[in-house]
Amino acid sequence: SQKIEQNSEALNIQEGKTATLTCNYTNYSPAYLQWYRQDPGRGPVFLLLIRENEKEKRKERLKVTFDTTLKQSLFHITASQPADSATYLCALGQNSGYALNFGKGTSLLVTP
Amino acid sequence: GAGVSQSPSNKVTEKGKDVELRCDPISGHTALYWYRQSLGQGLEFLIYFQGNSAPDKSGLPSDRFSAERTGGSVSTLTIQRTQQEDSAVYLCASSSLRGVNTEAFFGQGTRLTVV
Repeated sequence: SQKIEQNSEALNIQEGKTATLTCNYTNYSPAYLQWYRQDPGRGPVFLLLIRENEKEKRKERLKVTFDTTLKQSLFHITASQPADSATYLCALGQNSGYALNFGKGTSLLVTP
Repeated sequence: GAGVSQSPSNKVTEKGKDVELRCDPISGHTALYWYRQSLGQGLEFLIYFQGNSAPDKSGLPSDRFSAERTGGSVSTLTIQRTQQEDSAVYLCASSSLRGVNTEAFFGQGTRLTVV
């Protein structure tokens, strides 16, 4: 069965360092992969999308890589700030006939 | 409004009662999703509507759950004979799915508590 795995353990890092979150998947051939941020008591908010034919995408301090051979995406936040503390979810999508499937998310805590 | 709107924001119901949760998607969005999120857990897919196609109901956990989308806009998720394990936050999202615009916009969710 299809599986999306994100590290269930919280990631604690110091302000200014680079945070790296991992999303692995099995039995899946996504057309694209998305990353979302979720704060407590709120719905997820879209951050970045990367397509199957793209290796890397950047947006400000965010960088996403997508390796369809390894079936893995890495999400990086450079120069992390306490305000980046949240849960980060990856989601895999196919064509418009299919729903987005989400991982369980990884909690990030950035301490001053 | 500019975003996805869900109502009510909180609902407490007695076990065995039926509940209806409402979602107003962003105007013009053809795709609408319902997800469920239990405390500390990820998003569990429930149902997906896309345009005039038959909905993907593969995520509905039991026949007590059903959803409708009227006129391609507002959606209602109905849970009959609620059980305590139905307690969760129910999230609705919509997407335009036009060209590269596949991002999903989420509402704030409805927190359902079954007592």
